[in-house]
Amino acid sequence: DSGVTQTPKHLITATGQRVTLRCSPRSGDLSVYWYQQSLDQGLQFLIQYYNGEERAKGNILERFSAQQFPDLHSELNLSSLELGDSALYFCASSPGTRGFANYGYTFGSGTRLTVV
Amino acid sequence: DQQVKQNSPSLSVQEGRISILNCDYTNSMFDYFLWYKKYPAEGPTFLISISSIKDKNEDGRFTVFLNKSAKHLSLHIVPSQPGDSAVYFCAVGNEKLTFGTGTRLTIIP
Repeated sequence: DSGVTQTPKHLITATGQRVTLRCSPRSGDLSVYWYQQSLDQGLQFLIQYYNGEERAKGNILERFSAQQFPDLHSELNLSSLELGDSALYFCASSPGTRGFANYGYTFGSGTRLTVV
Repeated sequence: DQQVKQNSPSLSVQEGRISILNCDYTNSMFDYFLWYKKYPAEGPTFLISISSIKDKNEDGRFTVFLNKSAKHLSLHIVPSQPGDSAVYFCAVGNEKLTFGTGTRLTIIP
């Protein structure tokens, strides 16, 4: 158990629908990162939040949005889903915004989204 | 634009031999370089890292080498063990990490 909790583990939904993925960071971590891993692809950075505020944005579609709540958990909202959105979505957390030298990010086990 | 590339999608190595995984990056401003290991149905786990001020970092069987002039990062695993079979991602960055596409390492008993 990495300490980062993602729910649900699996999600199957139809095209055009909207889903919410949830992430609870490791205790004490203030930064949350969302990554997408499509089939045979690397981890694509979507967005980062630090202590409730958006810190960095990557290749996140306009149909996707995220937020980090006062208790530091984060949600990734995916709307108007398309077949190509099927992927593994990972959440990771870290104590701050820098200082990867000793520990990097801690990842959750991911949510597998299947759009049919 | 792929800032981080792992050109070998897969690698097979005999148990007990050395495994060498490679990673190339394009941005010379990156400060941190990491390797992650991923088993199926699990999230990536941090393995080893190096900062831009060093050229080598060792942790047990794992050694990471950084060649800044060539913008090249490598991970050496010696001796390789069956439990090392996994997908390995390199990651580089400053405030956020950019990941490579991964190399699937298979250790042959």
